[in-house]
Amino acid sequence: GAVVSQHPSWVICKSGTSVKIECRSLDFQATTMFWYRQFPKQSLMLMATSNEGSKATYEQGVEKDKFLINHASLTLSTLTVTSAHPEDSSFYICSAKRGPSTDTQYFGPGTRLTVL
Amino acid sequence: SQELEQSPQSLIVQEGKNLTINCTSSKTLYGLYWYKQKYGEGLIFLMMLQKGGEEKSHEKITAKLDEKKQQSSLHITASQPSHAGIYLCGALLRRAQKLVFGQGTRLTINP
Repeated sequence: GAVVSQHPSWVICKSGTSVKIECRSLDFQATTMFWYRQFPKQSLMLMATSNEGSKATYEQGVEKDKFLINHASLTLSTLTVTSAHPEDSSFYICSAKRGPSTDTQYFGPGTRLTVL
Repeated sequence: SQELEQSPQSLIVQEGKNLTINCTSSKTLYGLYWYKQKYGEGLIFLMMLQKGGEEKSHEKITAKLDEKKQQSSLHITASQPSHAGIYLCGALLRRAQKLVFGQGTRLTINP
C-alpha cells in the first residue's frame, strides 16, 4: 500500500502559459500532501504543505500566487504553475501522509517541467 | 540544509562489497527517514527510525539511529547493481514538523 501517483510525468510548455500537476494517493486517504522541487543533483526543497479542505502553507520564498495549490479531496492535490517561465523548469515531486498519527511521507514519481 | 549532512556525497563500490552512508544532524532527531531515488524518479521509502539505538533491516539494507539520536547510518551488505541510486535521509527535527533532507549520496555499483 501507500502508492502515490503524479500526472503528467513530464510536460513541456511555452513561457507565459500555466501548467497543472496532479498528485493522487491511490490506496489511502491523505490528509496532508507536500509539494517539493528538486534541481539537478540537489536535494528536495519543500515548497508547501497542503491540508485537505484548507489553504496551503507555503515555505518562505515560495510565491503563493505563482504556485497555486489546491487540495480538494483526501486523495487529490494539484499544483498549478501560473505564467511559467524558463526558471520554473524543474522536477516537482509530491508526497502524502496517511494521516495525522504518522509522519512517514510517501512520494510520487515526480513531474519534470520544461518551460521554453 | 546545513541541519542535516550526508556523507559521502558519492560512492563507487564494486559489486559484492559492503558500504555505509552516514547522516548527521546538528539537532536531536525526532524521526529519521531513509529514501532511495533513481535519477528522474520519485523517492522510495526504505525505513524510519525513531528511538535512540534503534536498528532496522530490510533485505540487505540495515539502518541504525545512534543513542544520542543525532546520527544515522545506512549499511548495505554484499551490494548489487539494483542498489545503485541516490540515498536521501530525511529528518524530523520536531514532532509533526516538515521533513528536512540531506543532500543525498549517489551510489554507483561497478560489476
